[in-house]
Amino acid sequence: AQKITQTQPGMFVQEKEAVTLDCTYDTSDPSYGLFWYKQPSSGEMIFLIYQGSYDQQNATEGRYSLNFQKARKSANLVISASQLGDSAMYFCAMREVLFTGNQFYFGTGTSLTVIP
Amino acid sequence: DTEVTQTPKHLVMGMTNKKSLKCEQHMGHRAMYWYKQKAKKPPELMFVYSYEKLSINESVPSRFSPECPNSSLLNLHLHALQPEDSALYLCASSQDRGDRITDTQYFGPGTRLTVL
Repeated sequence: AQKITQTQPGMFVQEKEAVTLDCTYDTSDPSYGLFWYKQPSSGEMIFLIYQGSYDQQNATEGRYSLNFQKARKSANLVISASQLGDSAMYFCAMREVLFTGNQFYFGTGTSLTVIP
Repeated sequence: DTEVTQTPKHLVMGMTNKKSLKCEQHMGHRAMYWYKQKAKKPPELMFVYSYEKLSINESVPSRFSPECPNSSLLNLHLHALQPEDSALYLCASSQDRGDRITDTQYFGPGTRLTVL
């Protein structure tokens, strides 16, 4: 079974609008971390935001927020006020603490295009 | 400072060549990773070094040989590669101590490798 599922291969959003990128995960480890990365066409994977399995509140970092719904095992990324520079691939990732140590599981990614 | 550097940025090599990719971080991180990424796909884990010891080797062909000379440096030695090995090679590092839930991987800009 897929550990991380991103069901949106491509998304379009108008500049200055908000967009939600979906991510669902599958684990029976009670301790895990969820991460979002942005990868522009230049190739570098840029860390955006993190949410821990025990965190009570949704994480926020500037224009990025994570809509964490533990019971539904979803960790959607919300980008507010989209900018042209937000056009990139976005990957959701998970680390299981007890089961697999240092291994990250990545989703298949969502390609976001911001339209002027 | 969350910088991971990689050299070279681009590499073109023949199937009989020997070359090396280099990765460096000065964040005091104790885990370092090599990933291979094909276009439009998520990164695939190749190797993990934890405290300068190889802790994960994801059944990578022997034509790829990792080396961790010290806690700040990670090399990937390449020999007798195949055209299908052409990809973006990403290095990452993480703290790997204490709270593993929050252990974030920080990536370098990658090396774009072309094997002719």
